[in-house]
Amino acid sequence: SAVISQKPSRDICQRGTSLTIQCQVDSQVTMMFWYRQQPGQSLTLIATANQGSEATYESGFVIDKFPISRPNLTFSTLTVSNMSPEDSSIYLCSALSGVTEAFFGQGTRLTVV
Amino acid sequence: TQLLEQSPQFLSIQEGENLTVYCNSSSVFSSLQWYRQEPGEGPVLLVTVVTGGEVKKLKRLTFQFGDARKDSSLHITAAQPGDTGLYLCAGAKQTSGSRLTFGEGTQLTVNP
Repeated sequence: SAVISQKPSRDICQRGTSLTIQCQVDSQVTMMFWYRQQPGQSLTLIATANQGSEATYESGFVIDKFPISRPNLTFSTLTVSNMSPEDSSIYLCSALSGVTEAFFGQGTRLTVV
Repeated sequence: TQLLEQSPQFLSIQEGENLTVYCNSSSVFSSLQWYRQEPGEGPVLLVTVVTGGEVKKLKRLTFQFGDARKDSSLHITAAQPGDTGLYLCAGAKQTSGSRLTFGEGTQLTVNP
């Protein structure tokens, strides 16, 4: 298993600004992912954070809006750029232990006003 | 189109009752996981099933993977208020690499 620390845990931001969310894993992992979730609903995959190369984005998500960094095997950041109220959501960092068993950070609850 | 159909979406029961949550798909998955999520936290892995027909038990929770590896169920016996949370199934397909497909989730409330 892996322990994932994500911060900030919550933030309230002004529209038009950007927020960077950090994700730290306590061990080296091969795969890291970023998800978005509305409270009480399912998870939507934003992108796969690739170490040493550009992230792989899912349909509907683009690098200009959600730039992702992954400088090493234990750390990744997600930036939500030029925020609007529609970006208000919970953002979750995830890492794979084993082939498909995912572990999650506690999430970042973002409110854009 | 949701690849994993999860039902029911909401479930409110009394302490001591039994319940079953279903996760269905027309696709075959190489493995399937069940997670539970509480407010303000990320999902926590409960179990992984990989073999068709497999049954796993975790205290009062019983997980089953369908013979064809297209569906799964989670059965809770004698539910307790501590079981309250959002239950999510997630499937992995060999063609999708390590990416997981999540079901819509089942919000379970167990009333004392």
